Amino acid sequence: QKEVEQNSGPLSVPEGAIASLNCTYSDRGSQSFFWYRQYSGKSPELIMSIYSNGDKEDGRFTAQLNKASQYVSLLIRDSQPSDSATYLCAARTPSGGSYIPTFGRGTSLIVHP
Amino acid sequence: DTAVSQTPKYLVTQMGNDKSIKCEQNLGHDTMYWYKQDSKKFLKIMFSYNNKELIINETVPNRFSPKSPDKAHLNLHINSLELGDSAVYFCASSQALGVRGGGYTFGSGTRLTVV
Repeated sequence: QKEVEQNSGPLSVPEGAIASLNCTYSDRGSQSFFWYRQYSGKSPELIMSIYSNGDKEDGRFTAQLNKASQYVSLLIRDSQPSDSATYLCAARTPSGGSYIPTFGRGTSLIVHP
Repeated sequence: DTAVSQTPKYLVTQMGNDKSIKCEQNLGHDTMYWYKQDSKKFLKIMFSYNNKELIINETVPNRFSPKSPDKAHLNLHINSLELGDSAVYFCASSQALGVRGGGYTFGSGTRLTVV
């Protein structure tokens, strides 16, 4: 069964610190990876997508992909209380000629002032 | 202008009833999805349509029937509702089916409560 695993947390960091969120996936055929942020009672919102090994930076966010280790991470620099949310990792995994979007269970991040 | 809109936002109904949730996207995406998010926030795919064709049908009771009249619309009909169907249902869309098909844009969700 194709799985995306995340630590449920909560991960608690002080304001201004770097928050590090991690994700592993089981299907080596997975090619595309995404990080979503979901505030309580709201819908998931795409933050980053990454397709190739290495780092991808967008503002305070950096996504990292290591296909050999089947590992994806998200770093949030200068964390703000407004970053407090659940972060969902997702992978697009191949299945019967199509691709199934598979989500992890999410990591709850708390940024305290 | 809302990219992915679904209605209703809240739905409270009795066991055994039949209900529908509607979804529309104005992004020009080819692929649309239905997800179920349970009380523990696990987001699980139920169905996916690509240009009106069903391409993903995960293990979902056949009481759930999706319908896509065109590529901009994907509706979900649920027969004989059960208590365990209570959850938030999200509609989503994405640009393409392939490896680099882009991320998924979600609707605001429908909170279904079966009493």
